[in-house]
Amino acid sequence: DTEVTQTPKHLVMGMTNKKSLKCEQHMGHRAMYWYKQKAKKPPELMFVYSYEKLSINESVPSRFSPECPNSSLLNLHLHALQPEDSALYLCASSQDQGAFTDTQYFGPGTRLTVL
Amino acid sequence: GQNIDQPTEMTATEGAIVQINCTYQTSGFNGLFWYQQHAGEAPTFLSYNVLDGLEEKGRFSSFLSRSKGYSYLLLKELQMKDSASYLCAVRTDTGGSYIPTFGRGTSLIVHP
Repeated sequence: DTEVTQTPKHLVMGMTNKKSLKCEQHMGHRAMYWYKQKAKKPPELMFVYSYEKLSINESVPSRFSPECPNSSLLNLHLHALQPEDSALYLCASSQDQGAFTDTQYFGPGTRLTVL
Repeated sequence: GQNIDQPTEMTATEGAIVQINCTYQTSGFNGLFWYQQHAGEAPTFLSYNVLDGLEEKGRFSSFLSRSKGYSYLLLKELQMKDSASYLCAVRTDTGGSYIPTFGRGTSLIVHP
């Protein structure tokens, strides 16, 4: 199984809503990532979890709250988002972010629209 | 910081060969990745270079010159399905973490 899955595929929410994005992998990877990607732009790193601990937070606003319940799951909790937060949210996983030959594998993404 | 540069857009003909270049300026270089991304989909891993030279994988090849801060992705026998964005990502060693930074991507349009 070399797949990273994400749910939901599409999400439309209002600025006062609370929602969560989910990501799952069963490759035994110990690093998981959240990226945000706007149209025609490269993915921007948001958070990195390594061995279920938050290792990198790229100064992301607190309206985005990550959670790693176990080594296979990664959530992104959303609250009081702004329309400019509308984007494709990508989850990725890799064997070990500290490994020399580490390679990231991406999920299909969640297309988020904030009204 | 890092500076990664790729052409914004390229066009090519079905059946032809195209070379997509990527130049970078960084310290602590630790490898270069190429990803393919179709519109609205996730990036998919194509290749990884950490030593100088050419890596070949079927129709796709990737080349790296560390001294020149330069890589290219070569696509042969182009097919219409190769129309996509191609992302160059450079990984650096930042205190024991090896996380790649993505370039802006090159949008490749393959026409009949």
